[in-house]
Amino acid sequence: QVQLVQSGAEVKKPGSSVNVSCKASGGTFSSYAISWVRQAPGQGLEWMGGIIPIFGTGNYAQKFQGRVTITADESTSTAYMEVSSLRYEDTAVYYCARDMGLSHAMDYWGQGTLVTVSS
Amino acid sequence: DIQMTQSPSSLSASVGDRVTITCRASQSISSYLNWYQQKPGKAPKLLIYAAFNLQTGVPSRFSGSGSGTDFTLTISSLQPEDFATYYCQQSYSAPRTFGQGTKLEIK
Repeated sequence: QVQLVQSGAEVKKPGSSVNVSCKASGGTFSSYAISWVRQAPGQGLEWMGGIIPIFGTGNYAQKFQGRVTITADESTSTAYMEVSSLRYEDTAVYYCARDMGLSHAMDYWGQGTLVTVSS
Repeated sequence: DIQMTQSPSSLSASVGDRVTITCRASQSISSYLNWYQQKPGKAPKLLIYAAFNLQTGVPSRFSGSGSGTDFTLTISSLQPEDFATYYCQQSYSAPRTFGQGTKLEIK
């Protein structure tokens, strides 16, 4: 059974960076894409970007290009997402999720990581 | 970017009702349309992938249809555990945009 376990909640100051991890177990990590999706309080879901670990290059929604970096470590089956230059509006729950294959639907999700940006 | 528009934004229904939620894409996405259910404080759960394929373990009262730009999610007989927010998502091209969500509430 595939499991994605994310790192814990973070409180960050505006202008700083945050790094969220997503450790996979129970499946083949390298060949499935991992996406990152965020949800601001009371709002909908927003796809930020993703990575296929075996290829190692992230692709990003234009909105996040240059401010978000997605990486993966095949040796530890862990994906990472760094958001820099944090703004108050980056306060959200951040989820990682696994692409299930050709359909690119996301079948397994992490539990979510709350990132709060506050001075 | 492909825009996804769901309707309605909210819906009140009773246990046993048949409910349909629609999702429209701003351009053709073939059958690259997925549906998710989300309950408060929980991660989304995949219900339907590639427009009409039921994810393993999802009850058969859920069904999906459509192709191109217009899609529907149908719940044939609402159960108490179905009251949640539902999102469509296109996986045809990046960024893989979501609809704004449909909140299904108890009447």
